[in-house]
Parts: sequence; structure tokens; C-alpha cells
Amino acid sequence: DIQMTQSPSSLSASVGDRVTIACRASQTISTYLNWFQQKPGKAPKLLIYAASSLESGVPSRFSGSGSGTDFTLTISSLQPEDFATYYCQQSYSTPLTFGGGTKVEIK
Amino acid sequence: EVQLVESGGGLVQPGGSLRLSCSASGFSFSYYVMNWVRQTPRKGLEYVSSIISDGGSTHYADSVKGRFTISRDNSKNTLYLQMSSLRTEDTGVYYCVKDRRGVAGTIFDYWGQGTLVTVSS
Repeated sequence: DIQMTQSPSSLSASVGDRVTIACRASQTISTYLNWFQQKPGKAPKLLIYAASSLESGVPSRFSGSGSGTDFTLTISSLQPEDFATYYCQQSYSTPLTFGGGTKVEIK
Repeated sequence: EVQLVESGGGLVQPGGSLRLSCSASGFSFSYYVMNWVRQTPRKGLEYVSSIISDGGSTHYADSVKGRFTISRDNSKNTLYLQMSSLRTEDTGVYYCVKDRRGVAGTIFDYWGQGTLVTVSS
């Protein structure tokens, strides 16, 4: 199975900050990498697919980059509604696997 | 608007059984691969099972193979997960997830609100 490792596991940031979350795959996955946002008590929501494609309806302050084994999710200017947990997920091979999550908290 | 509504969760003893349902609306259900993904305290988000559009092929995570069965009724726009021989480690929230597949691979684009399964004596 492909292991997905996110860092950091949590971070504190202020509104307006630029936030970067890293995700590393245990083997190359090309650009078969998706990012999700999850708020407490809610289901995950797709933000980015294929490493860098913005899902319809998602604000442009979210962006993704990377290929191979190293990927990044960036929030260019953190908004109050962005405080949540973020997960990466590889769709290169079965079983599809998720990272452990990065919790973005208010500083 | 795409809607996925799960039901059937609850408290069950180890070794017991439970059937989850997911009612879909707002899209052509019979055209899409559908999945179950769970979120457990121990392992976080974990893929469980998938079924192709006509139900002719299914896939399972090793952790549930032989114990869980996924199925669908396209005439009722409903997805099912029959769970048996349940273990305490199966405890978690189970999500019904729509699958948008293409050149970018499998994309979980819509999720239900989830149904809680608790396996405990």
C-alpha cells in the first residue's frame, strides 16, 4: 500500500496568513493526488484534484502543486472559514489511501 | 444538487451484522462508480469498498474482504453495504461517496453526511 504522510499534523495561523501543507507519498504517484477539507462533524469536501486542478466552486486562494512523491496545498490568504482539517489522498493505485490530516487552528 | 443520504448505522455487538444504505439524488446514479469510505479513531480516513455502475464488479479493502458486501439498486438510486462479523475496529463514521473517474484517476467528488457505526459489547 502507498503511505501518505502529511506535515505538519497541526498548525496555528492568523487570518490573512499564507499557509502551506505538505504531503509525501511512499512511492511515486505522478499527479494522482487530491486534497480535501473537513470541518468538525461534516464530511470531507474536495478542494483540489490531480495535484493542481481546482474543483469547481472552490475559492482561488486554494492551490495545489507537486508531482512524483512531494505535494503541497497552499492557502494564499487564510480566511475564518478555512479553519479545518486538510487531507491528501492518492488515487494512483488501490487501495486508495489518505494522509493523516493537518489541522489548521486559529492563532 | 447532488445529495447522498446514508442510513442504517447504530450500535452492534462484536460479531454482529448491520446493513447501511445510501439514497442518491441529483445525478444519474446508474452511470457512476460508488464507494464507501470510513473514518475511524484508529486509522483516520480509510477506503472500504467500491462498485462499478452496473454492479458487475466490486472491490474491497483487505481489512473488510470476506466480511462486507457492497451492492446497488439502480432502479432505486440506492447503494448498500452489508457488514457482518463486525469487530471493534470497524467502529467509525461510514460515508457514501460518489466517484468521478477519468484521466485524472478516481476522484471522490461528493460525500454523504455519514452514518455512525459503533461496535461494542
